[in-house]
Amino acid sequence: SQTIHQWPATLVQPVGSPLSLECTVEGTSNPNLYWYRQAAGRGLQLLFYSVGIGQISSEVPQNLSASRPQDRQFILSSKKLLLSDSGFYLCAWSVGYREQYFGPGTRLTVT
Amino acid sequence: AQTVTQSQPEMSVQEAETVTLSCTYDTSESNYYLFWYKQPPSRQMILVIRQEAYKQQNATENRFSVNFQKAAKSFSLKISDSQLGDTAMYFCASVYSGAGSYQLTFGKGTKLSVIP
Repeated sequence: SQTIHQWPATLVQPVGSPLSLECTVEGTSNPNLYWYRQAAGRGLQLLFYSVGIGQISSEVPQNLSASRPQDRQFILSSKKLLLSDSGFYLCAWSVGYREQYFGPGTRLTVT
Repeated sequence: AQTVTQSQPEMSVQEAETVTLSCTYDTSESNYYLFWYKQPPSRQMILVIRQEAYKQQNATENRFSVNFQKAAKSFSLKISDSQLGDTAMYFCASVYSGAGSYQLTFGKGTKLSVIP
């Protein structure tokens, strides 16, 4: 069966520090991968998606970037965090354009 | 562009009772999928049920079922025999099945509380 992992689960970082969140998927090949952000009490905002290694599409211009160095690995990064980057970050995978399956998420607080 | 609307920000139901969450959507596409996701206090998004637009039969998953009205662009979720573990945010979502389309469009969610 397929499994998706995210780490860390919780992160507190000062403004201006770098960020690296990692997501890995097991049990499937060539998945589509996604990064979402959810502000408190709000819906999900798609940040990036990837249909293959090295292929990244950005949905929202921001202080963040994404990379896919391996087929089942998706990384969300920032060189300098802003207060507005605080939120709950979810990674997801799908086969084609069908349902997406989400990881447990990372709670990021920028202080 | 697709839009998904959930008009009930909050709902409550007594344990063991039945509750229906509403969702309407707007799309110009003919082929699409609709989903209900559950987000419990742990905040992990869990797929509850999915419906392919080309299927007339309403999807069911144990205590969860949908009422899919394609002409009315309505996709409601019925939870039968509500349990305390059903307390969560519920999001309706859609994706159209076209090449290059990967973005799920989510509604704003309905917060469901199951009361013992």
